[in-house]
Amino acid sequence: QSALTQPPSASGSPGQSVTISCTGTSSDVGAYNYVSWYQQHPGKAPKLMIYEVNKWPSGVPDRFSGSKSGNTASLTVSGLQAEDEADYYCSSYAGSNNFYVFGTGTKVTVL
Amino acid sequence: QVQLQESGPGLVKPSQTLSLTCTVSGGSISSGSYYWSWIRQPAGKGLEWVGHVFASGSTNYSPSLKSRVTISVDTSKNQFSLKLTSVTAADTAVYYCARYKRGSGSFDYWGQGTLVTVSS
Repeated sequence: QSALTQPPSASGSPGQSVTISCTGTSSDVGAYNYVSWYQQHPGKAPKLMIYEVNKWPSGVPDRFSGSKSGNTASLTVSGLQAEDEADYYCSSYAGSNNFYVFGTGTKVTVL
Repeated sequence: QVQLQESGPGLVKPSQTLSLTCTVSGGSISSGSYYWSWIRQPAGKGLEWVGHVFASGSTNYSPSLKSRVTISVDTSKNQFSLKLTSVTAADTAVYYCARYKRGSGSFDYWGQGTLVTVSS
């Protein structure tokens, strides 16, 4: 099972928006609404930011939003803040043989 | 607040077995709502799902690691464990334990991670 494809980097100025794509296949992203997004600061564990494509866990600001179209999911961070600078990973359920697949990761830089 | 904490040796020799334990606090591992998972991350690289165990002891593993992985659960200690046999340098990574919430498709709580280096 191949990793989901994300752009290596994305950037934006404070207050702007940045969108990260996550491209899979019809066996994972395209097949299930079980796409989630994780934020990881250096040396820290990943933190759940979005689940089931577009739902927020408690405590996550609504500046983070998710969507999906076909085999591609997206995470948008609006009103960029300095603390949003981190690596972001998508993940998708991939069926009962492969279970879960992660994206390649995107480093978001706040300029 | 649920907390997960990994423990185990930080250095393992090639061809030997990597063994880690995850202790869960603030919630019962016996809850039927979750799968208890191991995920690893080589330095500078992405995340890789290793496998998970349900409270009943049923397991599922990554196809690429299935022949070498065993995950077990000890509900009396609120712990679950990972064993990875015949390790090589390619198994060097930070290993995270995490809770997968059934029906949400997501890992909602993570341990801090523990670095395991495979070297002689």
